[in-house]
Amino acid sequence: SQTIHQWPATLVQPVGSPLSLECTVEGTSNPNLYWYRQAAGRGLQLLFYSVGIGQISSEVPQNLSASRPQDRQFILSSKKLLLSDSGFYLCAWSPRTGNYGYTFGSGTRLTVV
Amino acid sequence: GQQVMQIPQYQHVQEGEDFTTYCNSSTTLSNIQWYKQRPGGHPVFLIQLVKSGEVKKQKRLTFQFGEAKKNSSLHITATQTTDVGTYFCAESTSGTYKYIFGTGTRLKVLA
Repeated sequence: SQTIHQWPATLVQPVGSPLSLECTVEGTSNPNLYWYRQAAGRGLQLLFYSVGIGQISSEVPQNLSASRPQDRQFILSSKKLLLSDSGFYLCAWSPRTGNYGYTFGSGTRLTVV
Repeated sequence: GQQVMQIPQYQHVQEGEDFTTYCNSSTTLSNIQWYKQRPGGHPVFLIQLVKSGEVKKQKRLTFQFGEAKKNSSLHITATQTTDVGTYFCAESTSGTYKYIFGTGTRLKVLA
């Protein structure tokens, strides 16, 4: 069966520090991968999505970047965090073909102080 | 750009009462998905609707896709405390892999 792993679960980082969040998927090949951010009590904002290795689409201009170095690995990064980067970051995957819902990871709660 | 309106934003109901949340789009949709997010948790996929006028049921949950494929609703009959959470619709236009999520409806069920 397919599983998605996302870590760390919580993170407190100072302003100006770098960020690296990792997401990996097991049990499937060629997944579509996504990064979403959710502010406290708010909806989900699509940040990046990827349909293949090295293929990244950015949805919102921001202080973040994403990379997909391997088929089932998706990384969210920042060189210098801002206070406004705080939030709940969710990685998700969906099959490349067919209409199926997303499977989300358990998320990372990032607090920038 | 694509906008996803979801109403109401909040809903408090007594256990046993019914609940409905609505999702409206400014564009014609390829399909629509519904998710549930428990407090402190991550969104979990519930269902996908594809056809115009489609109605699907999951136990006490009824999902409907509008005839024009621009709106959708989720109705819960006789709510239970386990129904607590935020319900999101997610919309996709044809030819894209990405889904835009609605603002969500937060449901509280009072025992």
